[in-house]
Amino acid sequence: DIQMTQSPSSLSASVGDRVTITCRASQSVIRFLHWYQQKPGQAPKLLIYGASTLQNGVPSRFSGSGSGTEFSLTISSLQPEDFGTYYCQQSYNTPPITFGQGTRLEAK
Amino acid sequence: QVQLHESGPGLVKPSQTLSLTCSVSGDSISSAGYYWSWIRQFPGKGLEWIGYVYYSGSTYYNPSLESRITILVDTSRNRFSLKLTSVTAADTAVYFCAREADGYLDSWGRGTLVTVSS
Repeated sequence: DIQMTQSPSSLSASVGDRVTITCRASQSVIRFLHWYQQKPGQAPKLLIYGASTLQNGVPSRFSGSGSGTEFSLTISSLQPEDFGTYYCQQSYNTPPITFGQGTRLEAK
Repeated sequence: QVQLHESGPGLVKPSQTLSLTCSVSGDSISSAGYYWSWIRQFPGKGLEWIGYVYYSGSTYYNPSLESRITILVDTSRNRFSLKLTSVTAADTAVYFCAREADGYLDSWGRGTLVTVSS
């Protein structure tokens, strides 16, 4: 299985900050890398697919980049509704689909 | 807009079978190109993909669970199901159903907590 490792595991930031979360794959996943946001008590919500394509309805302050084994999710100007946990997920050479362990984004 | 809803017992005894159903509305489960998936989230928040089914009945399972899983599709009722046999406390999790398109999960149910305990 392809292992996904996110960093940092947790992050404290303030509204208006630029925030970047990194996801590394144990082998190349090309650009088959997707990002989700999860808030307490809710299901994960798809933000970005194919490493950099914004899902319909997702604000443009979210962006994704990377290829191969290193990817990043950036929030250009953090908003109050952006606090939660973020997960990356790969879909190359599946099954199985695998997820990163999550990055918890909290208010400073 | 597609909606998914999980249903099933919230408590299962050790060694018994966990059975869940996912009802789909707003889209046909027979739509080409979509795979209907089960994912679980452990109390520590880690996510594990369980497997998925295509409307034709073809299935793909996580190799780590393959010997205990059955996922079936019922196109007449627009729903699909999960059976997980020989459960232990390690199977306690929130179980989600979701729609997969091109490898990513674009619609999810709200999830249902299943606790394995005597």
